[in-house]
Amino acid sequence: AQSVTQLGSHVSVSEGALVLLRCNYSSSVPPYLFWYVQYPNQGLQLLLKYTSAATLVKGINGFEAEFKKSETSFHLTKPSAHMSDAAEYFCAVSFQAGTALIFGKGTTLSVSS
Amino acid sequence: GAVVSQHPSRVICKSGTSVKIECRSLDFQATTMFWYRQFPKQSLMLMATSNEGSKATYEQGVEKDKFLINHASLTLSTLTVTSAHPEDSSFYICSASGSQETQYFGPGTRLLVL
Repeated sequence: AQSVTQLGSHVSVSEGALVLLRCNYSSSVPPYLFWYVQYPNQGLQLLLKYTSAATLVKGINGFEAEFKKSETSFHLTKPSAHMSDAAEYFCAVSFQAGTALIFGKGTTLSVSS
Repeated sequence: GAVVSQHPSRVICKSGTSVKIECRSLDFQATTMFWYRQFPKQSLMLMATSNEGSKATYEQGVEKDKFLINHASLTLSTLTVTSAHPEDSSFYICSASGSQETQYFGPGTRLLVL
């Protein structure tokens, strides 16, 4: 069965530090992979997506993610954290356009000054 | 980018009443819309998938008679929580998908049943 695992329910970094949020998936077919961000009491905003083109995907707000098939991973990174990056981050996968997303459990990112 | 709206953003109702939540794709035609439910500090759980003009497909454990979904047009889907009870209190989020693989999410509706 397809699934998504986000390692670490809570990640804390200092402002200016590297952000690394981990996501692994299991799939028997090539997946579409997504990272979404959710601020309190709001919906989800798409950060970036992988759809079988370039393996290094650049998204909004300075985030990027690299698809590594051999590791079945799609980790999210940002070189320098800002206070405004504090939010909940969800990794998600789908296997066909127009089908529902399977979400990871989410990672809460805290940024301290 | 694609925009999805939800209305209302927040609703408080009495136990036993019904509540309707609207989800609209504002600048694209959504062939498929999805309804998710999110409990505090948890991930999103898919409730149902709806395609325009056809009956919704509900996930296992979701009562279709309690959560009525209508997808009457390519830009509008509605979720009606019938005879709401306090355990139905949650954050309901819709998403819409056009011809591509990306889903765009609405801002969510906070339902509180007293």
